[in-house]
Amino acid sequence: AQSVSQHNHHVILSEAASLELGCNYSYGGTVNLFWYVQYPGQHLQLLLKYFSGDPLVKGIKGFEAEFIKSKFSFNLRKPSVQWSDTAEYFCAVIEYGQNFVFGPGTRLSVLP
Amino acid sequence: KAGVTQTPRYLIKTRGQQVTLSCSPISGHRSVSWYQQTPGQGLQFLFEYFSETQRNKGNFPGRFSGRQFSNSRSEMNVSTLELGDSALYLCASSEGTGLQPQHFGDGTRLSIL
Repeated sequence: AQSVSQHNHHVILSEAASLELGCNYSYGGTVNLFWYVQYPGQHLQLLLKYFSGDPLVKGIKGFEAEFIKSKFSFNLRKPSVQWSDTAEYFCAVIEYGQNFVFGPGTRLSVLP
Repeated sequence: KAGVTQTPRYLIKTRGQQVTLSCSPISGHRSVSWYQQTPGQGLQFLFEYFSETQRNKGNFPGRFSGRQFSNSRSEMNVSTLELGDSALYLCASSEGTGLQPQHFGDGTRLSIL
């Protein structure tokens, strides 16, 4: 069965620092990839998605992610984080006919 | 469009009781999935329903069950509650065709005493 790992459990950054959160899934095939964000007290929201085409996808709030098929990776990046980016970030993958599989999440704390 | 609506928002139960949680998907969405979210475990997939049929099932005991109605609303039932069932239960809906993203509700926080 597909599995998703996220490299960091908790990341602490200062405002304006650059962010990269790692995500790897376990095996190939045709997959769609997603990053979701959960702000404190709010529901999970879609940040960005990759279906096909350009492996560099842009999402909301200045986030982007790069799909590297050979590495089964889909890392999330942001050049300059803000205090309001403090949240938990989840990577997810889905294959046709299967259910969504989520990573364990990475908690991001941005210090003002 | 209204988002995914889950009721109730909070529930407190005791061990051995049973509970039913409700989810109304976004209008037009035919797929509803349920997840259990706990600190350290992330989101654990429970099951997915599409057009009133269970399409996928996660690795949870038979005490966890669900159903979907003709209007795509879904209910999840947990019987013989255990302390370890305390969690945030999330419902997500999607169009259900292809590999579309899921849209999440606010969840039902279930506490077992």
